[in-house]
Amino acid sequence: TQLLEQSPQFLSIQEGENLTVYCNSSSVFSSLQWYRQEPGEGPVLLVTVVTGGEVKKLKRLTFQFGDARKDSSLHITAAQPGDTGLYLCAGAPLLGATNKLIFGTGTLLAVQP
Amino acid sequence: GAGVSQSPSNKVTEKGKDVELRCDPISGHTALYWYRQSLGQGLEFLIYFQGNSAPDKSGLPSDRFSAERTGGSVSTLTIQRTQQEDSAVYLCASSLWPAAGYEQYFGPGTRLTVT
Repeated sequence: TQLLEQSPQFLSIQEGENLTVYCNSSSVFSSLQWYRQEPGEGPVLLVTVVTGGEVKKLKRLTFQFGDARKDSSLHITAAQPGDTGLYLCAGAPLLGATNKLIFGTGTLLAVQP
Repeated sequence: GAGVSQSPSNKVTEKGKDVELRCDPISGHTALYWYRQSLGQGLEFLIYFQGNSAPDKSGLPSDRFSAERTGGSVSTLTIQRTQQEDSAVYLCASSLWPAAGYEQYFGPGTRLTVT
């Protein structure tokens, strides 16, 4: 069974702090996505990373795909209250049902003003 | 264009009743997924439709759960004889497949409460 473990599970920080969320697996993925979900809404895609070692930046958010394509990280610089939400990583398996994403366990982030 | 829509947004039902949840995917998206999410948790895969292929039902938790997709577009998830443990948010997503990255686009969900 392919699993994506996220850490930490919960994170409460003050506005202006930096943070990193990790997404780890023993399986290789062809691509990995990060979503953010706000209360009462569905997850919204933030980024897709495809190449091992790839780094993508989205304003204050930096996403990295591990060299072996088994893990990923999300770093937020100078967090703001608007960053509050549930962050989910999701991997597309390299083999088998490649279009059936494996979702991570989630990281619930609260940024206090 | 329009995103994924789901109805109803909230549903309260009594234990033992049947419920139907509806999903309208993005026009042209050939893949449609149903997930279940408990409060603040990750997503539990339920079922997946891809074009005219047989659906992948491997995530359905029991035979009380079923889903269909008519005309390759709208999908309905049916839960028969609801139980309290069925209470959750049911999310629908669609994607354009094949597509690089397999991005999924989610609806707002249906919050189901079984009393």
